[in-house]
Amino acid sequence: GEDVEQSLFLSVREGDSSVINCTYTDSSSTYLYWYKQEPGAGLQLLTYIFSNMDMKQDQRLTVLLNKKDKHLSLRIADTQTGDSAIYFCAESRSNSNSGYALNFGKGTSLLVTP
Amino acid sequence: DTGVSQDPRHKITKRGQNVTFRCDPISEHNRLYWYRQTLGQGPEFLTYFQNEAQLEKSRLLSDRFSAERPKGSFSTLEIQRTEQGDSAMYLCASSLGVGEETQYFGPGTRLLVL
Repeated sequence: GEDVEQSLFLSVREGDSSVINCTYTDSSSTYLYWYKQEPGAGLQLLTYIFSNMDMKQDQRLTVLLNKKDKHLSLRIADTQTGDSAIYFCAESRSNSNSGYALNFGKGTSLLVTP
Repeated sequence: DTGVSQDPRHKITKRGQNVTFRCDPISEHNRLYWYRQTLGQGPEFLTYFQNEAQLEKSRLLSDRFSAERPKGSFSTLEIQRTEQGDSAMYLCASSLGVGEETQYFGPGTRLLVL
């Protein structure tokens, strides 16, 4: 299938902003998501953006979508140690057979240091 | 508020044994998805249900895997004759459907095949 690519690791200091980047290859993607996964846990939905939007802001989170370059980013303002986790970018596209099955990247491990 | 639940949370089995996992989606969610996540990877789509109908199975789902959603509510995923390569986290997600496709994940079942 199509590949969703993310950088594997990011380290920031507490209080700084974090920017996690993602590229996807399927221009027909309808929704693009960011999920957070803490060790041994399931995936927590953080935010999502429709493909016809350029930006979405939700409290400390800002999502930017560049559809031309198929580039998605997640900015976390005022990053806290509790934000340390793995962040997954995922795309979904409508398919009459597979509903809106998600295609995930490998995840970016965010480490926030005091 | 009951999110997606999965049972058991952990399962250790010997190679060759059969295992069954259960997923209870969010109430009234029509769509249910199973994913598999191996260490260091993002989740990969396995199969999808629209109500009780299983509409799509990925090529990852070998003949040893079977999934059901008999009444359009909870779902089971059975693995027969387990192999060491089946060791992974099995994640279930549900979405309301009908225009609301955001998927909410359960905590996962971690399977270890010895």
